[in-house]
Amino acid sequence: DTEVTQTPKHLVMGMTNKKSLKCEQHMGHRAMYWYKQKAKKPPELMFVYSYEKLSINESVPSRFSPECPNSSLLNLHLHALQPEDSALYLCASSQAPGPYGYTFGSGTRLTVV
Amino acid sequence: DQQVKQNSPSLSVQEGRISILNCDYTNSMFDYFLWYKKYPAEGPTFLISISSIKDKNEDGRFTVFLNKSAKHLSLHIVPSQPGDSAVYFCAASAIMNRDDKIIFGKGTRLHILP
Repeated sequence: DTEVTQTPKHLVMGMTNKKSLKCEQHMGHRAMYWYKQKAKKPPELMFVYSYEKLSINESVPSRFSPECPNSSLLNLHLHALQPEDSALYLCASSQAPGPYGYTFGSGTRLTVV
Repeated sequence: DQQVKQNSPSLSVQEGRISILNCDYTNSMFDYFLWYKKYPAEGPTFLISISSIKDKNEDGRFTVFLNKSAKHLSLHIVPSQPGDSAVYFCAASAIMNRDDKIIFGKGTRLHILP
């Protein structure tokens, strides 16, 4: 299995809702990442998990709450989002730091109404 | 402040010719540079990378050149094929505390013309 699987592919939520995005990989990668990409912009790093521990938080608002229950799974819990949080949320994983590149999932297209 | 810049939003190249995508960066502390390709409705796909201590890396039709003094890198695709039409992101990696952090440029949309 050489994929990163993200669910759901599309999500519409209201500003008072609580929802979660899920990401899974079975490649034995030790690091997992959440990126946010808005239209015509580059992907922007949100969080890095290394060996199931949060190692980098790029000053993301607390309405986004990451969780890494085990080495294969990464969640992003969403609560009280704003319409400007609408974006493509990408999960990625990597084997180790270095020139290996990340393996990205196809993303979850989130719309906040 | 953008640390990785791709100044050409789009590029059109005839099939069979060479495609050259350019990228500039501002931080001389980056450890690796990478190129990703992205089709609509898919996540970015890793293409090729280069260490900051090298000046060239080649993989099949793809070659990346790094000019450290100019803080510039380029991706050459030759010959260009219709399936190469996609958005190409230049990215730079900084290794911090045994973790790496990849920063992306805005991307260049490549159109391969028949």
